[in-house]
Amino acid sequence: DTGVSQDPRHKITKRGQNVTFRCDPISEHNRLYWYRQTLGQGPEFLTYFQNEAQLEKSRLLSDRFSAERPKGSFSTLEIQRTEQGDSAMYLCASSSAGHYGYTFGSGTRLTVV
Amino acid sequence: AQSVTQPDIHITVSEGASLELRCNYSYGATPYLFWYVQSPGQGLQLLLKYFSGDTLVQGIKGFEAEFKRSQSSFNLRKPSVHWSDAAEYFCAVGALLDPNYNQGGKLIFGQGTELSVKP
Repeated sequence: DTGVSQDPRHKITKRGQNVTFRCDPISEHNRLYWYRQTLGQGPEFLTYFQNEAQLEKSRLLSDRFSAERPKGSFSTLEIQRTEQGDSAMYLCASSSAGHYGYTFGSGTRLTVV
Repeated sequence: AQSVTQPDIHITVSEGASLELRCNYSYGATPYLFWYVQSPGQGLQLLLKYFSGDTLVQGIKGFEAEFKRSQSSFNLRKPSVHWSDAAEYFCAVGALLDPNYNQGGKLIFGQGTELSVKP
């Protein structure tokens, strides 16, 4: 097992375009989390899944953001009509239910120009 | 509301010197507390965690942290810093896990402390 994988590592997009990020968690982990980290700040919780169920969404997650985990394995985070304020590092993490032993991926850095 | 404060944005220490990074939390119940380290452009690595029991917890890379309920603090320490310890350090508090998973699971992070190490 190679840990939590995120793809792509970097994404540059023009304002108004849609982008999609992928996260592959550790295979035996049934919880998957998305966080956003802006420069000089700690990660902020966006949403999390237990298996395929999305259990909580932050108020930070506007209607332009959507996350899915269709088969309880990998997850995608889509941002529609990107804005410059969406520029950030998007981090994915996974864990087993009942444990706070998160494993983070290396993140996807989004730059909106 | 849950929150984490890391009062020091940036700290510089000499290699071989001791280190203490401060963390204060606000949480209504018994907190789950964590320290993570992040190297530039990388994800976060768990250094140590406190759930219950002994208030002095040992982590990886020679780090330890002490939970002080009376001070709502969870400071990270290392007796002798190495140049490779230069990184960003984040303290986090976790919501109490609900076995029915309707609450909890997420972490609230502080804004981080950047550590520089002088030769």
